[in-house]
Amino acid sequence: DVKVTQSSRYLVKRTGEKVFLECVQDMDHENMFWYRQDPGLGLRLIYFSYDVKMKEKGDIPEGYSVSREKKERFSLILESASTNQTSMYLCASSFSGGARETQYFGPGTRLLVL
Amino acid sequence: EDQVTQSPEALRLQEGESSSLNCSYTVSGLRGLFWYRQDPGKGPEFLFTLYSAGEEKEKERLKATLTKKESFLHITAPKPEDSATYLCAVQAPGGGNKLTFGTGTQLKVEL
Repeated sequence: DVKVTQSSRYLVKRTGEKVFLECVQDMDHENMFWYRQDPGLGLRLIYFSYDVKMKEKGDIPEGYSVSREKKERFSLILESASTNQTSMYLCASSFSGGARETQYFGPGTRLLVL
Repeated sequence: EDQVTQSPEALRLQEGESSSLNCSYTVSGLRGLFWYRQDPGKGPEFLFTLYSAGEEKEKERLKATLTKKESFLHITAPKPEDSATYLCAVQAPGGGNKLTFGTGTQLKVEL
């Protein structure tokens, strides 16, 4: 079974703090993704990565950065957390190419910024 | 810009009462349409991928179908454990593996 794990289920941070969210997958997937999910807005792509040390901006990258130093690990960084970054953060991973491109999701991290 | 619209936003069914969820999409050349199930406070769980109009896939009480403009998720004789939010997403060519998601249909099945 595909397994995608996220470092925390719940996080509470203060405005201005630097926040690290970590995602690890055990299926040797090339692609990894970070989304945020908000009521009424659905899942929105923040950043994604096709390979180690490679990153691409998604639809809402402002206020975020990412790091992929190893194939299995993809980190999302909030440089200076703000209250409007309170959300559910979801990581996903997939193979590249054809029918194997299905994205598999982690359990999510619910972040509250006070 | 790719767009995905799901309807209804919420659906309440009695156990055994079959129904369908709709996913309408606008994309330049569909590469794949994905259905996921999401339970409260959890990540989406993959259900189906459909690639071309006319394709159908089934899993237990769920059946997904695809036309050139929309997809349906048919739920036959639902049970309370089918209660969840069902998400639809599309993948367009040239965008790598990016998905565009709809906002989901929240299904509640009551005894």
